[in-house]
Amino acid sequence: AQTVTQSQPEMSVQEAETVTLSCTYDTSESDYYLFWYKQPPSRQMILVIRQEAYKQQNATENRFSVNFQKAAKSFSLKISDSQLGDAAMYFCAYRSAYLDSNYQLIWGAGTKLIIKP
Amino acid sequence: DSGVTQTPKHLITATGQRVTLRCSPRSGDLSVYWYQQSLDQGLQFLIQYYNGEERAKGNILERFSAQQFPDLHSELNLSSLELGDSALYFCASSVELGYSEAFFGQGTRLTVV
Repeated sequence: AQTVTQSQPEMSVQEAETVTLSCTYDTSESDYYLFWYKQPPSRQMILVIRQEAYKQQNATENRFSVNFQKAAKSFSLKISDSQLGDAAMYFCAYRSAYLDSNYQLIWGAGTKLIIKP
Repeated sequence: DSGVTQTPKHLITATGQRVTLRCSPRSGDLSVYWYQQSLDQGLQFLIQYYNGEERAKGNILERFSAQQFPDLHSELNLSSLELGDSALYFCASSVELGYSEAFFGQGTRLTVV
């Protein structure tokens, strides 16, 4: 079974600085997707960034980028120029890409990101 | 706004009662997922429907059931409620079974007292 581990329960960063959130996962599959979701106090689960395992190039979305290390099964999220609105819980999630899977998201425990003004 | 609508937003009920949570997926999305987010167990997959048919089950209790109707909206029924069922219940939808991205509703906060 696949597992996702986020070892940092809480991280804090000064506004405008850069922060990296860690995520490791365990799987025997070769084809999968990895996601970072953001959950602000409003509780809405918002997709931040997505990475396809078959792509070597790291995904980027504006100030958000990932460092995907497939062999090491590591998927970290880097937030540049942190803003107060980035304060939230961040969840790393895994999803199989195989047709006979149930496509469920498997979640890490989350990292609470605090932005200091 | 993700386009996925969940009602009600908040629900407070007593132990032993039954409640129904409703989800309207994004227009055109055929697949609906239900997730439970609790303090002690984190986010867990409950069940998935695709075009009206149950597709997969996760850690869903026997007291819980769900269905997807012909208009593609879905309902999650929780019965014989216990204090431990207090959680945030999310619905998510995606276009097809294999589509990588699922869009989440705002969740229903269930409190069992």
